[in-house]
Amino acid sequence: GDSVTQTEGQVTVSESKSLIINCTYSATSIGYPNLFWYVRYPGEGLQLLLKVITAGQKGSSRGFEATYNKEATSFHLQKASVQESDSAVYYCALSPPTNSAGNKLTFGIGTRVLVRP
Amino acid sequence: EAAVTQSPRNKVTVTGGNVTLSCRQTNSHNYMYWYRQDTGHGLRLIHYSYGAGNLQIGDVPDGYKATRTTQEDFFLLLELASPSQTSLYFCASRRQGNTEVFFGKGTRLTVV
Repeated sequence: GDSVTQTEGQVTVSESKSLIINCTYSATSIGYPNLFWYVRYPGEGLQLLLKVITAGQKGSSRGFEATYNKEATSFHLQKASVQESDSAVYYCALSPPTNSAGNKLTFGIGTRVLVRP
Repeated sequence: EAAVTQSPRNKVTVTGGNVTLSCRQTNSHNYMYWYRQDTGHGLRLIHYSYGAGNLQIGDVPDGYKATRTTQEDFFLLLELASPSQTSLYFCASRRQGNTEVFFGKGTRLTVV
């Protein structure tokens, strides 16, 4: 089945420094999957941060960006300068390219980011 | 903004107990999902539904039942709760044809 592997555990970074969270995927469906980054702030549900459904494209939102690299099967999340408000848990996810049954999302384990002032 | 509301937000029950988690979405979305999230695992799909009266089995269905009574409401039932079902549960919904999934804030269930 499909799988997503991302940076494990907690990443601690100082405010204004750069952040990268690694994500690689393996998809069994024919064609290229849709790729997502979701974020969960304390006490909140997951919310979509960005998505890319076309291989080779880059998505961006709130200063974050991720590039869909089909050769490396990667979708790393980066931000050049983080803020305390970026402290959250980040999930990489994929779904099949076609509107298959349920269009199920497969998630990575989540990476907790702690931004220190 | 799409809204998915879960209740209760926190629940403690005893082993063998009967628990129902509720989820309501007011987005007119076709698909609804129940996930569980545990340390060391990503969100794992328990059950999902295409619409009222429909139920599909997810990846980790054992020990869970679900029912979609209306377009808006999707329930997760644990009829004999076990400590292994202690987890954070998320409900989500999606409109057919769209890729974005909207999540509720989660229900933390503890089985003692």
